[in-house]
Amino acid sequence: QVTLKESGPVLVKPTETLTLTCTVSGFSLSNARMGVSWIRQPPGKALEWLAHIFSNDEKSYSTSLKSRLTISKDTSKSQVVLTMTNMDPVDTATYYCARHRLSSGWYFDYWGQGTLVTVSS
Amino acid sequence: QPVLTQSSSASASLGSSVKLTCTLSSGHSSYIIAWHQQQPGKAPRYLMKLEGSGSYNKGSGVPDRFSGSSSGADRYLTISNLQSEDEADYYCETWDSNTRVVFGGGTKLTVL
Repeated sequence: QVTLKESGPVLVKPTETLTLTCTVSGFSLSNARMGVSWIRQPPGKALEWLAHIFSNDEKSYSTSLKSRLTISKDTSKSQVVLTMTNMDPVDTATYYCARHRLSSGWYFDYWGQGTLVTVSS
Repeated sequence: QPVLTQSSSASASLGSSVKLTCTLSSGHSSYIIAWHQQQPGKAPRYLMKLEGSGSYNKGSGVPDRFSGSSSGADRYLTISNLQSEDEADYYCETWDSNTRVVFGGGTKLTVL
């Protein structure tokens, strides 16, 4: 059974750095046909992709947020970590991690439950 | 980079069928997409992967009432025999090679 679970702070202050952890089970982060992405969703708005990481440690970032994001993984712990620097109230959102897989192309096939992060002083 | 266009809203009556559209931008009509459902207050759920040929693969547990099809740059999600639990936001997703991910703006489906 594939599961993903996000963890991290519920509240962060403006200018602080956010660190989120996605713990996965039911698959390995070393599987070449799979990887993990981070996606966020501000209240009442659409989904926004942030970053992803593949089994070979290849990474990609949203163009608009690239300077603030870092994604990494610890395969032995089955965890993927996202850091976002210089948080602002507009970054208030539910943050999801999702598994992406390769089958005629890449796509998300499992999602975590999400974690709501509020940015406020 | 591809752009995905979705209507912001749709509505249909209980027990009827509805066809939602996701349109790929020019030059990207061969791309595969995936459809995701997000019920109110819940995380998104993967529904299916849909290819330009119209071939689709559904996720585990997705009812038979959900099907996919394609025509040119358009990717469709058809829901038959609409149920109240189908009232949700529906998002399409695609990848620009393996570097960038794009979501459509989502369609809010209301079941009347």
